[in-house]
Amino acid sequence: GENVEQHPSTLSVQEGDSAVIKCTYSDSASNYFPWYKQELGKRPQLIIDIRSNVGEKKDQRIAVTLNKTAKHFSLHITETQPEDSAVYFCAAHFTGGGNKLTFGTGTQLKVEL
Amino acid sequence: GAGVSQSPSNKVTEKGKDVELRCDPISGHTALYWYRQSLGQGLEFLIYFQGNSAPDKSGLPSDRFSAERTGGSVSTLTIQRTQQEDSAVYLCASSLRGGQPQHFGDGTRLSIL
Repeated sequence: GENVEQHPSTLSVQEGDSAVIKCTYSDSASNYFPWYKQELGKRPQLIIDIRSNVGEKKDQRIAVTLNKTAKHFSLHITETQPEDSAVYFCAAHFTGGGNKLTFGTGTQLKVEL
Repeated sequence: GAGVSQSPSNKVTEKGKDVELRCDPISGHTALYWYRQSLGQGLEFLIYFQGNSAPDKSGLPSDRFSAERTGGSVSTLTIQRTQQEDSAVYLCASSLRGGQPQHFGDGTRLSIL
């Protein structure tokens, strides 16, 4: 089955710095990679996603890069702000797995003033 | 409503009792997913419904867990003879179809005494 590894499990940065979270996946047939942000006690919210025919996607301070050859993808947050503090989950989808997402174990991001 | 709705938001019950959790997906979404999230942990896939196809039950942890989706819309997750290890937040998500962005509900926090 699909396996998604996510690193680091915790990340602490100073306000204004950049944060990078990395994920690797096991199945080369994976074709869709969303990222979710979950604030304490709240629902996971989709913040950005990328499909396998694209190498990079940006949305304001957030960007995702995908390296299909190496089977890894990363979330980049620039100019971090305290409200970016949350748990971030990556996920991978592959059609061979019945269309479900496999999630990484999450990264607790803390942006310090 | 505009989003995925789950009820109840909180459920406290005694060990051995049965519980039913409800999910109302976004109107028009053919795919519906159930996940379980234990405290401080990632998202564990439970079951996936896609239209009228047979559900993917590969994530259900035991035969005490079952789910149904009536009329292609509302879904109920049933846990029979609850155990303390069933305590978790149960999240429902829906998407237009498999492989599309998933939108989560607020979850049901289940506590087994």
